[in-house]
Amino acid sequence: GESVGLHLPTLSVQEGDNSIINCAYSNSASDYFIWYKQESGKGPQFIIDIRSNMDKRQGQRVTVLLNKTVKHLSLQIAATQPGDSAVYFCAERIGGSYIPTFGRGTSLIVHP
Amino acid sequence: NAGVTQTPKFQVLKTGQSMTLQCAQDMNHEYMSWYRQDPGMGLRLIHYSVGAGITDQGEVPNGYNVSRSTTEDFPLRLLSAAPSQTSVYFCASSGGQGTRANYGYTFGSGTRLTVV
Repeated sequence: GESVGLHLPTLSVQEGDNSIINCAYSNSASDYFIWYKQESGKGPQFIIDIRSNMDKRQGQRVTVLLNKTVKHLSLQIAATQPGDSAVYFCAERIGGSYIPTFGRGTSLIVHP
Repeated sequence: NAGVTQTPKFQVLKTGQSMTLQCAQDMNHEYMSWYRQDPGMGLRLIHYSVGAGITDQGEVPNGYNVSRSTTEDFPLRLLSAAPSQTSVYFCASSGGQGTRANYGYTFGSGTRLTVV
């Protein structure tokens, strides 16, 4: 499981800080975006999604922001906890296609 | 409701051997996909299916076959294993088009395959 994080961009934060994980997507025709969390040794887990007709969506402690002008997506985690340590993937789905395309991921390390 | 179930969890194969990775979902999802995950590479799509009897190739299909005879099952076959196929394999399913709540994929826990 820990090998998933090798060579990935890494964000280190202190417990209690807010975390911002960024993702640049590639296709202006993408109409749906998803953030996944993958803990060591487990499969990716759905966190939050957003459609292209929105620029912000909030969940519990998480917010996703979408900037279509610069094709940028971010995931904000409030009051980051050690249990948030994981690899985070963004995924985009091009309108009319069936399957999302995943980015490389960012490793988030939360220090107690 | 088990979600997406993958078996086996771990497997070691010798070069040239064949095997089938099993994937089953009990959510009546239309879409199912197989991904492989290598260090630093993210998730790469191998094959996918949008319904029973329909399959298509993803980004890295060579060396793998799939079939979708039922909605529930989507097995992945390695025809002649090679060391380059050493990876973690994930199966995922989604409710598909028109199912707003399930555009996001549900993933299995993975199969860790080593080819020696």
